[in-house]
Amino acid sequence: KAGVTQTPRYLIKTRGQQVTLSCSPISGHRSVSWYQQTPGQGLQFLFEYFSETQRNKGNFPGRFSGRQFSNSRSEMNVSTLELGDSALYLCASSSADSETQYFGPGTRLLVL
Amino acid sequence: QKEVEQNSGPLSVPEGAIASLNCTYSDRGSQSFFWYRQYSGKSPELIMFIYSNGDKEDGRFTAQLNKASQYVSLLIRDSQPSDSATYLCAVTQVSGTGKLIFGQGTTLQVKP
Repeated sequence: KAGVTQTPRYLIKTRGQQVTLSCSPISGHRSVSWYQQTPGQGLQFLFEYFSETQRNKGNFPGRFSGRQFSNSRSEMNVSTLELGDSALYLCASSSADSETQYFGPGTRLLVL
Repeated sequence: QKEVEQNSGPLSVPEGAIASLNCTYSDRGSQSFFWYRQYSGKSPELIMFIYSNGDKEDGRFTAQLNKASQYVSLLIRDSQPSDSATYLCAVTQVSGTGKLIFGQGTTLQVKP
């Protein structure tokens, strides 16, 4: 099976812009979780989608949002970018009957 | 108190030795426990998961879980230089939420 894919892999934006990141889960996986990784805060949970519904959300401001499509692909959007949003954004997928998450390669976002 | 704690290291071991990585968690109701390996500039890669008290072995890796003491550990036997990476401990507190809580990671250095 192909693994989790994420696009784009690298992104440079300026403050105030918005960005959309995409994640395609492993075939058959219906759960997609998003994480932000920074050197200072480590890996932090953003939100999780299952069957097009957000099941859980982390402690991030409303500028961070996401959605999931009927084919389980997911997108996350960050509006009004701030310098502190520079990070590696990771998505992970899991099957409906497992807690085990498999990570994609990540999107590295740099906000200037 | 952090929800998941790991010694940041670096933990340095000679090639061929046993590396012991430890993790403690604060929520006694935590359900599932995972170890991920992350090479510099890469995304986390699942090594092992464990749900029940005791030991679980997979090749050179052994995960140990003690729910009474709220710790989980990872032993790497016959350590190789290619094992040099950051090892992340992750915990799910509530089943079915797609939320992993990560420790800050322990950097392992295996010296030839």
